[in-house]
Amino acid sequence: AQSVAQPEDQVNVAEGNPLTVKCTYSVSGNPYLFWYVQYPNRGLQFLLKYITGDNLVKGSYGFEAEFNKSQTSFHLKKPSALVSDSALYFCAVRGMDSNYQLIWGAGTKLIIKP
Amino acid sequence: DGGITQSPKYLFRKEGQNVTLSCEQNLNHDAMYWYRQDPGQGLRLIYYSQIVNDFQKGDIAEGYSVSREKKESFPLTVTSAQKNPTAFYLCASSISGALTEAFFGQGTRLTVV
Repeated sequence: AQSVAQPEDQVNVAEGNPLTVKCTYSVSGNPYLFWYVQYPNRGLQFLLKYITGDNLVKGSYGFEAEFNKSQTSFHLKKPSALVSDSALYFCAVRGMDSNYQLIWGAGTKLIIKP
Repeated sequence: DGGITQSPKYLFRKEGQNVTLSCEQNLNHDAMYWYRQDPGQGLRLIYYSQIVNDFQKGDIAEGYSVSREKKESFPLTVTSAQKNPTAFYLCASSISGALTEAFFGQGTRLTVV
């Protein structure tokens, strides 16, 4: 069955340090992968997506993600964290198992400490 | 300003009442979605519609109903049959197709009182 796992409920990073938010997936066929961010009591905002091509995808607000087919992962990264990056981050995948509907991870709370 | 508008932002429902959440988009998107968000559970799909006058049940459709009479509008009714309706509800839309990202409204927080 198609699934997305975000193994960390919360990630704590000091401001200025690099950050990584992990995501692994299970899907038949080619995966279409997405990252979104959610600020408190707000809707989700799209950050970036991987469809095909270069494994390193760049997105909004300085975020990037690396697609690793052998490890079935799509980790979100940023070289230097800002306090304003503190939010809830969701990974999602589309695959043919679910008729290409988005399947969501449970979310990872990112806390950036000054 | 293009986007998705959900209203109201906060909604209170008494036991046994039906309530309707509004979702309007001016992005000219064919596909629209309703999700429910509970703490620690990510997003769960309630209903989706890929074209006017057609919609499909998602993973947790019981106790909910929708309509799609216009491309721009996809209202969600939370009926009295939904036993635990207190949650954050998110509406989204997208261009049809597997490769496209979804755009979200700001959400409606429904509380049963």
